[in-house]
Amino acid sequence: DAGVIQSPRHEVTEMGQEVTLRCKPISGHDYLFWYRQTMMRGLELLIYFNNNVPIDDSGMPEDRFSAKMPNASFSTLKIQPSEPRDSAVYFCASSPRARDGSPLHFGNGTRLTVT
Amino acid sequence: EDQVTQSPEALRLQEGESSSLNCSYTVSGLRGLFWYRQDPGKGPEFLFTLYSAGEEKEKERLKATLTKKESFLHITAPKPEDSATYLCAVSAGANSKLTFGKGITLSVRP
Repeated sequence: DAGVIQSPRHEVTEMGQEVTLRCKPISGHDYLFWYRQTMMRGLELLIYFNNNVPIDDSGMPEDRFSAKMPNASFSTLKIQPSEPRDSAVYFCASSPRARDGSPLHFGNGTRLTVT
Repeated sequence: EDQVTQSPEALRLQEGESSSLNCSYTVSGLRGLFWYRQDPGKGPEFLFTLYSAGEEKEKERLKATLTKKESFLHITAPKPEDSATYLCAVSAGANSKLTFGKGITLSVRP
């Protein structure tokens, strides 16, 4: 089991550019979560999917953010256009059965820097 | 809205000096309270899940306990390799998401 795989590990971009973050969840996990971590706000949930369907996107900060899960093994988080305040570490996590309190398994994150 | 507060923000211990980390929570319908460990440059790593008040779980030098309002992570005779950020999170109500506290950064000096 390779765990949750995220790419890239680091992304540096200029304000206004489009950024796409990628995630491969653990095989067999039905739930996928995107979190953002900053020093000021800690870990914040952006959106989560169940069986590839978005369930709760109330944490997505603005229309500039979008997330897709075209199949059970791949998800993307896109920011267009990016702004300096989007700089953070973005984590993807997956879980087999989130509704009964199962733990989330996290990837190692993508550190995004927007200049 | 679910709230999770961790204290202290940072803790420095001498090797062998036992202590406790606190996680206070306010939720409606707790389904589970989770402890994670996070090392620099890595994602959070799952440690424990507690489901009901009075429950305890142990792993090596760590023991987690739960009451109706808070959870403690007790660290007995810590070693430098226990240095990390410890995160607490809750799952509650009909939601499948975890709400996290900001974490406690533990530093253990040899």
